Amino acid sequence: GAGVSQSPRYKVAKRGQDVALRCDPISGHVSLFWYQQALGQGPEFLTYFQNEAQLDKSGLPSDRFFAERPEGSVSTLKIQRTQQEDSAVYLCASSSSPSGRAQHFGDGTRLSIL
Amino acid sequence: DAKTTQPTSMDCAEGRAANLPCNHSTISGNEYVYWYRQIHSQGPQYIIHGLKNNETNEMASLIITEDRKSSTLILPHATLRDTAVYYCIVSGAGGTSYGKLTFGQGTILTVHP
Repeated sequence: GAGVSQSPRYKVAKRGQDVALRCDPISGHVSLFWYQQALGQGPEFLTYFQNEAQLDKSGLPSDRFFAERPEGSVSTLKIQRTQQEDSAVYLCASSSSPSGRAQHFGDGTRLSIL
Repeated sequence: DAKTTQPTSMDCAEGRAANLPCNHSTISGNEYVYWYRQIHSQGPQYIIHGLKNNETNEMASLIITEDRKSSTLILPHATLRDTAVYYCIVSGAGGTSYGKLTFGQGTILTVHP
């Protein structure tokens, strides 16, 4: 199906390594969101793109987190110098609406930092 | 965005209607009520949303009270596959919120055979 695709599905990294997580949104969707979900908690907003413009990055927990969407489609979330507290599921969602209605989520990347 | 309050957990018998309540007493005029659910190890799934009128789609019905301070999600004939965490979210449309979702703890719905 043409849903939101995230890769890799699982990622294990050693503390201090850099990681890159990929999101392929639904084709044509202008809005793209990243969320972080800790174990047993609801997802928490990280950042928002409208096409290639990053309009809100207020949820990024530190300057080690960086996201981009250079051509307004695929997005990458990069985490530098990973820490154990970065272990979580990272979810990507896209929407055809500029106001982010009816977001379609991928199944996430489960990141484990050893 | 307005805060929502949901019961921690609910049970429902298979084939019966599941009615999930949500309180959002501080909702403002331009905020929508959204419902998402999350099945274990999957991403959240959009169910339905509304502003002030009741809404129905192939998955569920959304009943919003006239004062908009509470709502109920109705799954008319629950199946075992409806067992999930259900999130009620209030979110503004446009403006600086861009529709970002603020998830609470949600309601764990367990459907029993």
